[in-house]
Amino acid sequence: QKEVEQDPGPLSVPEGAIVSLNCTYSNSAFQYFMWYRQYSRKGPELLMYTYSSGNKEDGRFTAQVDKSSKYISLFIRDSQPSDSATYLCAMSVIKAAGNKLTFGGGTRVLVKP
Amino acid sequence: GAVVSQHPSWVICKSGTSVKIECRSLDFQATTMFWYRQFPKQSLMLMATSNEGSKATYEQGVEKDKFLINHASLTLSTLTVTSAHPEDSSFYICSARSEGHGYTFGSGTRLTVV
Repeated sequence: QKEVEQDPGPLSVPEGAIVSLNCTYSNSAFQYFMWYRQYSRKGPELLMYTYSSGNKEDGRFTAQVDKSSKYISLFIRDSQPSDSATYLCAMSVIKAAGNKLTFGGGTRVLVKP
Repeated sequence: GAVVSQHPSWVICKSGTSVKIECRSLDFQATTMFWYRQFPKQSLMLMATSNEGSKATYEQGVEKDKFLINHASLTLSTLTVTSAHPEDSSFYICSARSEGHGYTFGSGTRLTVV
């Protein structure tokens, strides 16, 4: 079993819809959670990060963390065709400077005009 | 915001030659740099972690003599693919980490070995 599980998709939605993405994890030591967006042939771009359980909102993006269920989510409101990309969740055990990220497999999202 | 510059963005080389990829943190000092490899439609696979001035720590299954990592300063790390073969063709991505900037990724290098 992988440490971080993420549905690969593709997830196809019409423009303007809410995109809902999620990851589950097995390592309870993870404390630092991130969502990245990756366009084809580009490096990942950080969208959201959070340390604690609960919701965090930034513009059209909302990240949720439920540590008791080991489940994290990302919601994208008013989706646009430019949101079409692969979304990767990532997490780490916080504090240590050399701490590596553990990634989910990524979910490919297609927003159709 | 934090910026990581990775060069080249793409490179084609002949089988048996070596290729060097550079990763620079432009506006911050990176305590740690990470190198990843990504195959089409797959997630990032961590290859190695390097701290400035010390030897890199390689993940299991990654040949350290083939993928040479140098982290000579707090702003520069290089990955050299030695004696490249077609199976080394992939997308290579670096990431730099600092206490104040979290993890920032470079734009990636597409390596094609012919």
